[in-house]
Amino acid sequence: DAGVIQSPRHEVTEMGQEVTLRCKPISGHDYLFWYRQTMMRGLELLIYFNNNVPIDDSGMPEDRFSAKMPNASFSTLKIQPSEPRDSAVYFCASSGGGGLTLHFGNGTRLTVT
Amino acid sequence: KQEVTQIPAALSVPEGENLVLNCSFTDSAIYNLQWFRQDPGKGLTSLLLIQSSQREQTSGRLNASLDKSSGRSTLYIAASQPGDSATYLCAARFSGTYKYIFGTGTRLKVLA
Repeated sequence: DAGVIQSPRHEVTEMGQEVTLRCKPISGHDYLFWYRQTMMRGLELLIYFNNNVPIDDSGMPEDRFSAKMPNASFSTLKIQPSEPRDSAVYFCASSGGGGLTLHFGNGTRLTVT
Repeated sequence: KQEVTQIPAALSVPEGENLVLNCSFTDSAIYNLQWFRQDPGKGLTSLLLIQSSQREQTSGRLNASLDKSSGRSTLYIAASQPGDSATYLCAARFSGTYKYIFGTGTRLKVLA
């Protein structure tokens, strides 16, 4: 299995631009999580899905953030408009298929200037 | 509020030493706890998962324990090696939710 795949690995954008991060979970996993990691706040859960349905989005910081999961093999996290304080590493993780372990992608490092 | 804490934030030890990393959580209604390793610029790799009904799990030189009553988990690393240098994070999943709450991690450096 290729594991959780995230793209792009790095994204540099200017304040005010729209940013879209992508994630392909492990096939057969029915839970998908979006996390944000910063030095100051560590790993924060933004939102998670079960069977493509958003279950808990209480960690989404503002209305500028939105996430979708149109099918079992793809999810996006969108920031519009982006701000410098959104700079962080964004991770996608999946679990399920009878297991409990969280499997993480390699993350997307976002820099907003 | 459910919180997970890891102390110390950083640790430096000579090669060959046995060491213990600590993880504390505020809610005894824990469903399971996972320990992860994170290398610089990489994602997290799951090391061990302990169910609430278990007291410990072992994988090679790693042993993780769980004490729900005291709200603590420890990760024991035997005979540490320079390749063990990384950040170690614990994550707790509490009963009634599928959310994993992460500690801030312990950055370990094993000196050759």
